[in-house]
Amino acid sequence: DSGVTQTPKHLITATGQRVTLRCSPRSGDLSVYWYQQSLDQGLQFLIQYYNGEERAKGNILERFSAQQFPDLHSELNLSSLELGDSALYFCASSVTGAVQPQHFGDGTRLSIL
Amino acid sequence: AQTVTQSQPEMSVQEAETVTLSCTYDTSESDYYLFWYKQPPSRQMILVIRQEAYKQQNATENRFSVNFQKAAKSFSLKISDSQLGDAAMYFCAYRSPGGQGAQKLVFGQGTRLTINP
Repeated sequence: DSGVTQTPKHLITATGQRVTLRCSPRSGDLSVYWYQQSLDQGLQFLIQYYNGEERAKGNILERFSAQQFPDLHSELNLSSLELGDSALYFCASSVTGAVQPQHFGDGTRLSIL
Repeated sequence: AQTVTQSQPEMSVQEAETVTLSCTYDTSESDYYLFWYKQPPSRQMILVIRQEAYKQQNATENRFSVNFQKAAKSFSLKISDSQLGDAAMYFCAYRSPGGQGAQKLVFGQGTRLTINP
């Protein structure tokens, strides 16, 4: 158990819809990262938050947004969903410090029908 | 931008044997961190081993060790005494030092490891 909690584990929805993925980091971790794992793109970094502030952005679509709340949990919002958004979405967290590894949650499997 | 390449999409090894997974990366940075993550069928991403670029000594974690060649930008993972539970997708990952920012992981495409009993 990594200590990172992601909900829901599975999500099935239709094109054009909007969903919210939730992540609770490990106790004490201030940084939260979101990654997308798809068959064609592999594992890609989406966005990082540190103590409530956006720190780094990757190949995140404009239809996607995220935030980190005062209690440090984070949400990834995906809107106007397309078939190509079907993927496994991971959240990871780490303590401050570049050498500290990121610990991953179990992921949310998003299926767009 | 940094890139990570794993040139072996699939590997197989007999149980109890040794296997080496390859990883190369491209960067202009002198300080960085390298990781190997394991993703079993359960889909979890599990940290296997990490290496700081400023350390010349290769990292070791029980049956897992790395061969870090900084000049060649190579970071291979050696698994000794392979066990059935080692069967998984293995990802090599790069991370910039970045302080409190720019700490994203850049992943390779992965190598699927099969253990034959």
